[in-house]
Amino acid sequence: QVQLQESGPGLVKPSETLSLTCTVSGGSISGYYWSWIRRPPGKGLEWIGYIYYSGNTNYNPSLKSRVTMSVDTSKNQFSLRLSSVTAADTAVYYCARSHSSRSHLDPWGQGTLVTVSS
Amino acid sequence: EIVLTQSPGTLSLSPGERATLSCRASQSVSSSSLAWYQQKPGQAPRLLIYVASSRATGIPDRFSGSGSGTDFTLTISRLEPEDFAVYYCQQYGGFPWTFGQGTKVEIK
Repeated sequence: QVQLQESGPGLVKPSETLSLTCTVSGGSISGYYWSWIRRPPGKGLEWIGYIYYSGNTNYNPSLKSRVTMSVDTSKNQFSLRLSSVTAADTAVYYCARSHSSRSHLDPWGQGTLVTVSS
Repeated sequence: EIVLTQSPGTLSLSPGERATLSCRASQSVSSSSLAWYQQKPGQAPRLLIYVASSRATGIPDRFSGSGSGTDFTLTISRLEPEDFAVYYCQQYGGFPWTFGQGTKVEIK
């Protein structure tokens, strides 16, 4: 079955750019929508946005000015960049798959904790 | 943006009891585009229910979802020890996709 695994630095300095990659195994990245979601400590889940395998994107307006997503079909990976981070961006970041632009999220990656601190 | 409000925040129950979790939307969720997820500490969220009432693959039939419009419910008919966790609802009928703040089901 399809599995997702997030990777990237666990510590990012304030004002710098957070960069994460999600590697898809057990299936193709083609034909699906790929989302990033985060959960700050003690808070609920926040959808950051998605990228279609062709490269089309849809971002949460609350983060749109700082978010860039990209996809590399040759590596079966997609990525998230979040610029100008602050302590409020400290969270567990998850990647997940959807079958369409209006569909549930399944499966999810295990998540990776990113801490923003100097 | 559709705001989802889950209640109660915490549900204290014993194994074998029935759990009823509520998710209320600030506006109608189109096409019942609502999902429920279960999350345990240190684990990824797990899809339980989609389009309000369809069980995901491998989910036991003690989990059921219902509702439409602005009011949705997740019911666990008889709690098993592995069901104590946090449950989130999510709508994907409008952008941005949003989640409820979660209901924690804890052992009484």
